[in-house]
Amino acid sequence: DAMVIQNPRYQVTQFGKPVTLSCSQTLNHNVMYWYQQKSSQAPKLLFHYYDKDFNNEADTPDNFQSRRPNTSFCFLDIRSPGLGDAAMYLCATGTGSSYEQYFGPGTRLTVT
Amino acid sequence: GEDVEQSLFLSVREGDSSVINCTYTDSSSTYLYWYKQEPGAGLQLLTYIFSNMDMKQDQRLTVLLNKKDKHLSLRIADTQTGDSAIYFCAEMAGGYNKLIFGAGTRLAVHP
Repeated sequence: DAMVIQNPRYQVTQFGKPVTLSCSQTLNHNVMYWYQQKSSQAPKLLFHYYDKDFNNEADTPDNFQSRRPNTSFCFLDIRSPGLGDAAMYLCATGTGSSYEQYFGPGTRLTVT
Repeated sequence: GEDVEQSLFLSVREGDSSVINCTYTDSSSTYLYWYKQEPGAGLQLLTYIFSNMDMKQDQRLTVLLNKKDKHLSLRIADTQTGDSAIYFCAEMAGGYNKLIFGAGTRLAVHP
């Protein structure tokens, strides 16, 4: 009955080696969000898609990119991961008119 | 600017009530939220309150909003060990429902 699915749950990558995190949803929501949550910190919005429109937060590093090939899927690409990018990455979905966001279980990224 | 602050830690005895507090800065926030995060898991929406309300009750959860002071609280009645988790306060900001989170309050429930 999963609604927002993130794969993998745990990802280990090497310093500088590109990595892609995946999110899919069965809710048919038109908005998808990516948040970064570093250890013991608040989740912080990186960017979101409203349908096909990409919206980047002003302070999101260029190293982070996203793709949304269709309504159900959204990917987070980290082009050259640094040690400071180790974090939990949370995907969420919502509708433009709703006040609720539904979060996936997250992907914990380790950079070695 | 947008900022949400919470105390970092709360310890309560099983069966007592827990009160987690939060302050926010954006007076135009339309919705305010409480999320729960268990170890290694994502965020679970517990409850939310619209800014024109001052109280909302949902089973063991009571949310109080003081809009004048920009203060939000979450009361958990009859706290159980299963309530041990990190609780995040969040405000909705921006036209696309962006959430601004506090750093989270770690609730520890002991026998």
